[in-house]
Amino acid sequence: AAGVIQSPRHLIKEKRETATLKCYPIPRHDTVYWYQQGPGQDPQFLISFYEKMQSDKGSIPDRFSAQQFSDYHSELNMSSLELGDSALYFCASSLGPLSYTEAFFGQGTRLTVV
Amino acid sequence: SQQGEEDPQALSIQEGENATMNCSYKTSINNLQWYRQNSGRGLVHLILIRSNEREKHSGRLRVTLDTSKKSSSLLITASRAADTASYFCATDATTSGTYKYIFGTGTRLKVLA
Repeated sequence: AAGVIQSPRHLIKEKRETATLKCYPIPRHDTVYWYQQGPGQDPQFLISFYEKMQSDKGSIPDRFSAQQFSDYHSELNMSSLELGDSALYFCASSLGPLSYTEAFFGQGTRLTVV
Repeated sequence: SQQGEEDPQALSIQEGENATMNCSYKTSINNLQWYRQNSGRGLVHLILIRSNEREKHSGRLRVTLDTSKKSSSLLITASRAADTASYFCATDATTSGTYKYIFGTGTRLKVLA
């Protein structure tokens, strides 16, 4: 069965650079979520999209932005990268809101800022 | 503040023993899910339990939910070395049409062969 695809799997950037992470949801899933997980930390919710509109927002820095495109894939853009942005970034998708269904996660993108 | 708090934070058991992890949360929920994460890897969905359910089984996994106490437990029976991982509970907020999960702090399980 198709799963959530994230690319790239690994990314190394220097401070103050920009990074773009991509997420391709499970086919027919209309909702995408982004999470950030620092070393030894629990996943922190960043932002979610439903039907290409932002649906909820968590602790996402102003330096980060995201959107969901017409084909439902999503991109997380991160600018002015800081060392503290080094983390595992997860994308998840679901069919509809979480009140009624479960979310499935991708393998994550490991971002290292040097 | 965390929506979900898990205990214990770390658990070490022998292969064949049962492992129990607990999760407490703060707000009302529609459902609660348990995920497994191998070191530095993706989150694997284990089981979803809805707020109107009290217990659910899946293979060697048994999940209970007590909405009056706002808590859930995950029991892994007859543990194996391959069960070594971190286990997280995640809850949605009870608002209809909610679009986020809040994760607990996770329990790091180590199963010794």
